[in-house]
Amino acid sequence: SQTIHQWPATLVQPVGSPLSLECTVEGTSNPNLYWYRQAAGRGLQLLFYSVGIGQISSEVPQNLSASRPQDRQFILSSKKLLLSDSGFYLCAWTPASGSGNEQFFGPGTRLTVL
Amino acid sequence: AQTVTQSQPEMSVQEAETVTLSCTYDTSESDYYLFWYKQPPSRQMILVIRQEAYKQQNATENRFSVNFQKAAKSFSLKISDSQLGDAAMYFCAYRSGWAGNMLTFGGGTRLMVKP
Repeated sequence: SQTIHQWPATLVQPVGSPLSLECTVEGTSNPNLYWYRQAAGRGLQLLFYSVGIGQISSEVPQNLSASRPQDRQFILSSKKLLLSDSGFYLCAWTPASGSGNEQFFGPGTRLTVL
Repeated sequence: AQTVTQSQPEMSVQEAETVTLSCTYDTSESDYYLFWYKQPPSRQMILVIRQEAYKQQNATENRFSVNFQKAAKSFSLKISDSQLGDAAMYFCAYRSGWAGNMLTFGGGTRLMVKP
């Protein structure tokens, strides 16, 4: 069966510090991968998605970036965090083939920027 | 671009009663998919139910059912025999039939269940 992992689960970082959040998927090959951010009490905003190694599409301009160094690894990064980067970050995956597939979500990372 | 609107920020229901959560969407496409996700306090996103736009029959999953009105672009979720474990944030989501599985989410509805 497929599983998706995210770490760390929680993170407190000062403004201006770098960020690296990791997401890995097990039990599938060539998944589509997604990074979402959820502000407190709000819906999910798609940040990045990837259909393959090294292929990253950005949905919103920001000081965040994403990378996919391996087929089942998706990394969210920042060189200098802003206060507005605080939130709950969710990684998700879907099978690359087929239509109407649901997205399977990881447990999330709660980021607090102070 | 597609938009998804959930007009009820909060709803409450008595245990064992029925509640309906509203969702409307805006699209010019004819082929798409709609989803309801549940996010309990653990914040894990869990799929509740899925509807294909080409299907006229409303989807059902045990106590959960939808009222899909394609012409009105409405996709409401009905929870029957509400249980305390149903308390959560509920998100409606839209997926284009061709746009790479990306989801557009509504702002969410917080459902409270009273014992």
